Amino acid sequence: DGGITQSPKYLFRKEGQNVTLSCEQNLNHDAMYWYRQDPGQGLRLIYYSQIVNDFQKGDIAEGYSVSREKKESFPLTVTSAQKNPTAFYLCASSTTQGTGDLRLYTGELFFGEGSRLTVL
Amino acid sequence: KQEVTQIPAALSVPEGENLVLNCSFTDSAIYNLQWFRQDPGKGLTSLLLIQSSQREQTSGRLNASLDKSSGRSTLYIAASQPGDSATYLCAQRGGSGYSTLTFGKGTMLLVSP
Repeated sequence: DGGITQSPKYLFRKEGQNVTLSCEQNLNHDAMYWYRQDPGQGLRLIYYSQIVNDFQKGDIAEGYSVSREKKESFPLTVTSAQKNPTAFYLCASSTTQGTGDLRLYTGELFFGEGSRLTVL
Repeated sequence: KQEVTQIPAALSVPEGENLVLNCSFTDSAIYNLQWFRQDPGKGLTSLLLIQSSQREQTSGRLNASLDKSSGRSTLYIAASQPGDSATYLCAQRGGSGYSTLTFGKGTMLLVSP
């Protein structure tokens, strides 16, 4: 079955540690996204990537880093610089059209099941 | 900055009722709008996607409409069931399609038997 797989589902981290959340998709989508969800705040965009080896900062990128070495994979690292890392993290993907700067985010967005990070 | 507002924040109805969830957006140059469902502790499930050229989309008991002139979308759920209990979110993609989605905070729906 096609879909988006996030792992781990639950993760506990001590302060000062970096952690990496995995996101893999087999939908053949070009665009991938990372969102953070906090109670009462809705979804906020951390990073997104239109194509392999390219990614852009979203609204709350500070304290996070990503890579896009393969089309199928878009891992998110929560660094020790992130002041409030405890949250529910959601990965998503969608299709696009066009090329380069004219790439349009046209497609329906699909989400993984999420990863809940708790800092102890 | 684009904003998406969902009213009400929470809604409780008895089983069998038809109901309407509202979503308003500030960017009149909307490209498309998507409705999602989220169960507690889970990811988002896509329900309906409406392109700017469309007025509505239907899937089973769900019907979503789009009115660009008023900056509103509604999600109509017919004959509600306890299994419909979840948080419903709308998200707008603005401009000419180059932008990413802006999400509302959601409406938490409880359908009681």
